[in-house]
Amino acid sequence: DAGVIQSPRHEVTEMGQEVTLRCKPISGHNSLFWYRQTMMRGLELLIYFNNNVPIDDSGMPEDRFSAKMPNASFSTLKIQPSEPRDSAVYFCASSRTELTGELFFGEGSRLTVL
Amino acid sequence: TQLLEQSPQFLSIQEGENLTVYCNSSSVFSSLQWYRQEPGEGPVLLVTVVTGGEVKKLKRLTFQFGDARKDSSLHITAAQPGDTGLYLCAGDSGGYQKVTFGIGTKLQVIP
Repeated sequence: DAGVIQSPRHEVTEMGQEVTLRCKPISGHNSLFWYRQTMMRGLELLIYFNNNVPIDDSGMPEDRFSAKMPNASFSTLKIQPSEPRDSAVYFCASSRTELTGELFFGEGSRLTVL
Repeated sequence: TQLLEQSPQFLSIQEGENLTVYCNSSSVFSSLQWYRQEPGEGPVLLVTVVTGGEVKKLKRLTFQFGDARKDSSLHITAAQPGDTGLYLCAGDSGGYQKVTFGIGTKLQVIP
């Protein structure tokens, strides 16, 4: 079975540019999560969707961040405009159950904002 | 915000030694997961514990959920270099599956 697929794996951009990260969850999973990982703060939950509906976006740092899930097989996380402090690894994860936190992670998108 | 504290944050041991890492919180969780993450990859689920006092074994790894479902431990027997990685615990608060992660324990097993 294909796992969670994220793109791009690496992105280097300049401050002020728009960044779009993409995620394809595992087929049949009904929950999707976006996390950000840094050395200092570990894994931080940004937003999660259940059945394509955003449930909790309280972890989104500020209005520069937005996420969409137009269908069950695709989600995007957009940063506009990007800032150097946004540099991190962004993970997408999906889950097939509503009762346990068993998440399946993608390989991550490493973002560097210069 | 539910906080999961993991200790120690860093651990370097010799091959063959035993070790225990801890995950503590003041909150009660519906379930708790342990993940292992290797450099350049996403976390991979190792185990889920649900019942207070539950013990699960995965080869040389033993996971225990506290009686009050607020804490957990991971014990590794006879550590191998392949056990090297970042061990993360995560708590599930139930309902809409808001999963919170600890910052992790970075384990290095030296051959």
